[in-house]
Amino acid sequence: DAGVIQSPRHEVTEMGQEVTLRCKPISGHNSLFWYRQTMMRGLELLIYFNNNVPIDDSGMPEDRFSAKMPNASFSTLKIQPSEPRDSAVYFCASRGGSETEAFFGQGTRLTVV
Amino acid sequence: AQKVTQAQTEISVVEKEDVTLDCVYETRDTTYYLFWYKQPPSGELVFLIRRNSFDEQNEISGRYSWNFQKSTSSFNFTITASQVVDSAVYFCALSANTGGFKTIFGAGTRLFVKA
Repeated sequence: DAGVIQSPRHEVTEMGQEVTLRCKPISGHNSLFWYRQTMMRGLELLIYFNNNVPIDDSGMPEDRFSAKMPNASFSTLKIQPSEPRDSAVYFCASRGGSETEAFFGQGTRLTVV
Repeated sequence: AQKVTQAQTEISVVEKEDVTLDCVYETRDTTYYLFWYKQPPSGELVFLIRRNSFDEQNEISGRYSWNFQKSTSSFNFTITASQVVDSAVYFCALSANTGGFKTIFGAGTRLFVKA
């Protein structure tokens, strides 16, 4: 199994631009999570999907952030417009069932200048 | 509300010392799961262990051991005879019924093991 695959691994963009982060969960997993990691705030859960449906998006910082999961094998996290304070490492994770652990992708390091 | 507290921000030990990383959790659910993850300097998050709320049996895996105590809402992690390769940030996490089994993380403890 290839594990959770995230792309791109690194993204540098200018303030105001749209950024799209992508995630392919492990095949057969039915839950998907997007997290943001910063020094100041640690690992924050942004949004959680179960069976492609958003269950909890209370961690999404503001309307500039949106996430979709059009099918079981793909999810996107979009920031529009991006701001320097969005600079962070964004992790995607997937899980096979509520009783199991989540497996993480390698993360996308986003820098907004 | 659910919460995970890792009060130790950083710990520094000398190689071969034993070290315990503390984790205290809060949940009103009777069904929940606890986890530990390791984040080495390379940045990936590596799963170490999962425990469910109905199983308080302690676990040992090589130099790693975990002590789960529901009476004190703690799930502590001990590394015996630490090695330089153990240097990493360690996260404790919780997944519970009320939260729809979303997984939330503590702030992490950064462990430095010096040679």
